[in-house]
Amino acid sequence: DTEVTQTPKHLVMGMTNKKSLKCEQHMGHRAMYWYKQKAKKPPELMFVYSYEKLSINESVPSRFSPECPNSSLLNLHLHALQPEDSALYLCASSQGLEQGYGYTFGSGTRLTVV
Amino acid sequence: AQKITQTQPGMFVQEKEAVTLDCTYDTSDPSYGLFWYKQPSSGEMIFLIYQGSYDQQNATEGRYSLNFQKARKSANLVISASQLGDSAMYFCAMREVFSMDTGRRALTFGSGTRLQVQP
Repeated sequence: DTEVTQTPKHLVMGMTNKKSLKCEQHMGHRAMYWYKQKAKKPPELMFVYSYEKLSINESVPSRFSPECPNSSLLNLHLHALQPEDSALYLCASSQGLEQGYGYTFGSGTRLTVV
Repeated sequence: AQKITQTQPGMFVQEKEAVTLDCTYDTSDPSYGLFWYKQPSSGEMIFLIYQGSYDQQNATEGRYSLNFQKARKSANLVISASQLGDSAMYFCAMREVFSMDTGRRALTFGSGTRLQVQP
């Protein structure tokens, strides 16, 4: 199994809603990542979990809250988002943060905030 | 400062011809990795090829090869025998193993090149 699975594929939410994005991998990878990609722009790093601990937070607003319940799962909890948060949210995993090969990306969640 | 530079916002190539997508990078870390990804309109990031900073030979994966010129800090992607299915956005990315900026230990992407293959 060499996949990273993201759900849902599409999400529309209001600015007062609470929703969660889910990411799952079964490759035994110990580092997992959230990236945000606006239209016609490159992905930008949001968070990195290494061995289930938050290792990197790229100054992301608190309305985005990551969670890593176990080594296979990564969630991104969303609350009180703004329309400018509409984007493609990509999850990725790799063998480890210190091992630089073998990043695998999911197909992303397209989020629209209305 | 921009770490990964892709100077070609868009490229056209005829089917069955070869095309080179440019990528230059900037780092003081002696240990780093360079990646190329393809992103079709569906959004998925598809890994194409990897080059480590200590690798002596240029990486190749099927129709993809990476022209790695370390002294010039360039890592251009060459796609041979282009196919219509190669039309997509292509991103060059880098990670720095020992960067003091911890965010750069994860993948940092260039701005991308949109490739269109014409029949």
